[in-house]
Amino acid sequence: DVKVTQSSRYLVKRTGEKVFLECVQDMDHENMFWYRQDPGLGLRLIYFSYDVKMKEKGDIPEGYSVSREKKERFSLILESASTNQTSMYLCASSEAGTTQYFGPGTRLTVL
Amino acid sequence: AQSVTQLGSHVSVSEGALVLLRCNYSSSVPPYLFWYVQYPNQGLQLLLKYTSAATLVKGINGFEAEFKKSETSFHLTKPSAHMSDAAEYFCAVSGGSSASKIIFGSGTRLSIRP
Repeated sequence: DVKVTQSSRYLVKRTGEKVFLECVQDMDHENMFWYRQDPGLGLRLIYFSYDVKMKEKGDIPEGYSVSREKKERFSLILESASTNQTSMYLCASSEAGTTQYFGPGTRLTVL
Repeated sequence: AQSVTQLGSHVSVSEGALVLLRCNYSSSVPPYLFWYVQYPNQGLQLLLKYTSAATLVKGINGFEAEFKKSETSFHLTKPSAHMSDAAEYFCAVSGGSSASKIIFGSGTRLSIRP
C-alpha cells in the first residue's frame, strides 16, 4: 500500500513564525503536491513537484515556498505565518498521470 | 481549462436510501474523473476513477459512478446508504498536458439519518 505521512496532525504557531510542514511518501512517486483545504472551497493546489529540486506554482502559491531535496520528501514552508493561513494542509503523491494518494493532513492554526 | 462543479454542498439521506451525489465537469480534452472520500480528520481516499474504459465505474464500499459525455456528468451513487458513509465527497478531473494535476470540486458533505 502507498503510504504518505505528514510530520504533524495538529500545529499551532504564532503570526510571523516560520513554519515547516513535512511530507514523506514511500512509493518512489515522481510527483508530489501540497494543497490547502478550506470549508466550501474544496482543495486548492499550492505547489507541486515533478522531480527532485523541481517545483511549479499551483493556484495559490503566495506566502508559501517548497523544497524537494530528495524524491521521497516534499516540504511546505510558510516564511512568515499569517492568520489567513490557518487551514488544513494536505500532501499527496502520484506517478505521472495517475491517482494521487493523500496523507492524513496537518491542521495548522496561526494565532 | 478544466473545472468541476458539485451540486449541493450538503446532502442528507436516510439509512437504506439511495445516495446520489452530483458532479459536472468541463474539459477540453478527454478527462480522467475521480471521486474521493474524506472521513473526519483524515486525508482523502480514492473511491473510484474513470479513465476512458467502461463508462460505469465501480468503486469501493458499494459506490459506483457513470460517465455521461453528452451531459458532462459523473454522478456518484450507492443503492443503500449506511451510517458509515457519512463523510465529505470530492469529485475531481484531470487530463491533457497537465495530466498529473487534478482539479477538485468544492465537496459535498453526506449525512445519514437513522
